[in-house]
Amino acid sequence: NAGVTQTPKFQVLKTGQSMTLQCAQDMNHEYMSWYRQDPGMGLRLIHYSVGAGITDQGEVPNGYNVSRSTTEDFPLRLLSAAPSQTSVYFCASSKGQGGRPNTEAFFGQGTRLTVV
Amino acid sequence: GQQVMQIPQYQHVQEGEDFTTYCNSSTTLSNIQWYKQRPGGHPVFLIQLVKSGEVKKQKRLTFQFGEAKKNSSLHITATQTTDVGTYFCAGITSGTYKYIFGTGTRLKVLA
Repeated sequence: NAGVTQTPKFQVLKTGQSMTLQCAQDMNHEYMSWYRQDPGMGLRLIHYSVGAGITDQGEVPNGYNVSRSTTEDFPLRLLSAAPSQTSVYFCASSKGQGGRPNTEAFFGQGTRLTVV
Repeated sequence: GQQVMQIPQYQHVQEGEDFTTYCNSSTTLSNIQWYKQRPGGHPVFLIQLVKSGEVKKQKRLTFQFGEAKKNSSLHITATQTTDVGTYFCAGITSGTYKYIFGTGTRLKVLA
């Protein structure tokens, strides 16, 4: 089982560039989410999805877009990269019950993004 | 909005000493989960607590969920160098779909 796959592992962007971080899971999980991790800040929720076609904002959504056209994929788009978006990004998925996660979250390996 | 704080932020212990991290939420939680992240790695699930006052044990690790379901703790007995990492709690508030992580406690174990 692949679990949760994130690509790329590393990325350097110039300010103003856009890009998409890919996330795919093969466990048929309803709930998927994106977090960013900065030193001393823990994991902060960017966006989440309770199923295909349904997404919502997390704690720090500004500057990011998501879509969920299939159960498997949940890409994160940076619209116009800024140095403040330099971070490690994690995608996670879990089973849901009524749309709410009720089991462990499986995390991808992370994407280390630097914006210069 | 929902906030989940953990204390302490950092903890250095001698190998063999005990360690405790505390998790406090501003809102009542439906459940709480604990994760461990090794340096350079991704968070890995440890356990989930659902019931008020619940206590669960995994070998040297003891997890508690508070009676009011707003706080939790993780206690490690006789730490080992393999316990090094950052421990996170995570919870979801009743009526929401946002799974919020705590700020984490970074544990260093000195041999």
